[in-house]
Amino acid sequence: GAGVSQTPSNKVTEKGKYVELRCDPISGHTALYWYRQSLGQGPEFLIYFQGTGAADDSGLPNDRFFAVRPEGSVSTLKIQRTERGDSAVYLCASSLDGAFTGELFFGEGSRLTVL
Amino acid sequence: AQSVAQPEDQVNVAEGNPLTVKCTYSVSGNPYLFWYVQYPNRGLQFLLKYITGDNLVKGSYGFEAEFNKSQTSFHLKKPSALVSDSALYFCAVRGYNTNAGKSTFGDGTTLTVKP
Repeated sequence: GAGVSQTPSNKVTEKGKYVELRCDPISGHTALYWYRQSLGQGPEFLIYFQGTGAADDSGLPNDRFFAVRPEGSVSTLKIQRTERGDSAVYLCASSLDGAFTGELFFGEGSRLTVL
Repeated sequence: AQSVAQPEDQVNVAEGNPLTVKCTYSVSGNPYLFWYVQYPNRGLQFLLKYITGDNLVKGSYGFEAEFNKSQTSFHLKKPSALVSDSALYFCAVRGYNTNAGKSTFGDGTTLTVKP
């Protein structure tokens, strides 16, 4: 497809479990971003990749959250020992080159529910 | 730190009337400003952006926005609203002096256009 693809679209898990969320960006986009959106709020920045490296991970809330992008394309957001407060929609976006002026192209999100 | 404020949670207008969705921002250095729209069960979509130049920028679906540096505002406007414009609208900012990864979003404004 031409857009950003995120899987799964919905994930229900139990407190304490491990979760992986996948993002497949638009082909050719070197910059990839993860955001988290809670109900009634705007997207909150988590991490930004330029190529394979995390250029800015200052938004990751704690060390239970980790993200990788080993080949500079697909990225996986990993959450260990999930807590109920992690429940949110996790958004992935990509942009052509990460320039300040470039708009973001978002996927439809992965809705995570931690019971 | 950069921030965005969308002072109205909800905006209601009648079809055919002009609409305005307000946004103010705070950022170090020159701002790069964006509007995104989110339809139900869809990902965020880029509408328009201000980078430099003319303070009035035009975007998708007949929307436009006016950059006002002295008031640090970037209000979204449309001369004649359509029912299909009903959606959730987000304003976002990037500052030239900050990492390109950090687009900061407002909490969104729900626009409802009534027939």
